[in-house]
Amino acid sequence: KAGVTQTPRYLIKTRGQQVTLSCSPISGHRSVSWYQQTPGQGLQFLFEYFSETQRNKGNFPGRFSGRQFSNSRSEMNVSTLELGDSALYLCASTSFSGTDTQYFGPGTRLTVL
Amino acid sequence: EDQVTQSPEALRLQEGESSSLNCSYTVSGLRGLFWYRQDPGKGPEFLFTLYSAGEEKEKERLKATLTKKESFLHITAPKPEDSATYLCAPRGNDYKLSFGAGTTVTVRA
Repeated sequence: KAGVTQTPRYLIKTRGQQVTLSCSPISGHRSVSWYQQTPGQGLQFLFEYFSETQRNKGNFPGRFSGRQFSNSRSEMNVSTLELGDSALYLCASTSFSGTDTQYFGPGTRLTVL
Repeated sequence: EDQVTQSPEALRLQEGESSSLNCSYTVSGLRGLFWYRQDPGKGPEFLFTLYSAGEEKEKERLKATLTKKESFLHITAPKPEDSATYLCAPRGNDYKLSFGAGTTVTVRA
C-alpha cells in the first residue's frame, strides 16, 4: 500500500507571496492532519480535515488555511508569507476504522526569503 | 491545555549501552499515547500506540511503557541505526496529537 505523499518536496518563496501544498493520504484513509515543524517550536498542529470538513484547528493565524477534496486529498495554503513560515510542513493520514494511528508523509520543506 | 515534556533533550550512547527516554504528559481524557521516530529531513515514522496504564509494547530493541502520567521508551543494546529523534504524542478527548519536543538519540559504534 502506498504511503502518504506530499508535493512539492521543496519550495522557495519570497515574503508576501502565497503557497499551496498538497497531500495525498493512504488509500482508504479519510482524515488528513497538517503540522508545522520548526527547530524552535517542534511539531505544531495546524488543522485536521475529515470527510471534507475541518474538524480541528490549531493556534495559527488565518493566513493558514486548508481544504479537503472528495477523494480525501488535501491542500493547505499560506498567504502573505513571512520569514517565520519557513518550516517543514507535514501531513498525516488516519483511517479511523479501528486503528487510529496517524501516518506521516515525507513533508514539504518551505523556505521563505 | 495539553502539556508534553520529553527528557532528556539529547542522549549520546555507546553501542550496546541501554537507556530510557521519558515522556511526561497532561492531557484531558487520554485516547492513546503515540511514539514516533524521526530521521533528519524526514517525516515521523510510527512506532507504538499505548492506550492504558500498565500497557507495554515491544519492537526489536525498543519497548514502550505507559503510566497515568508518563511513558517510557526503553532502548536495549542500541545500534548506530537507532540514532534518531524520538517523539511522543498523547491524544486527548479532542483527538488532537500534542507532540513533545523530542529526544535526539545518538548511538556511537
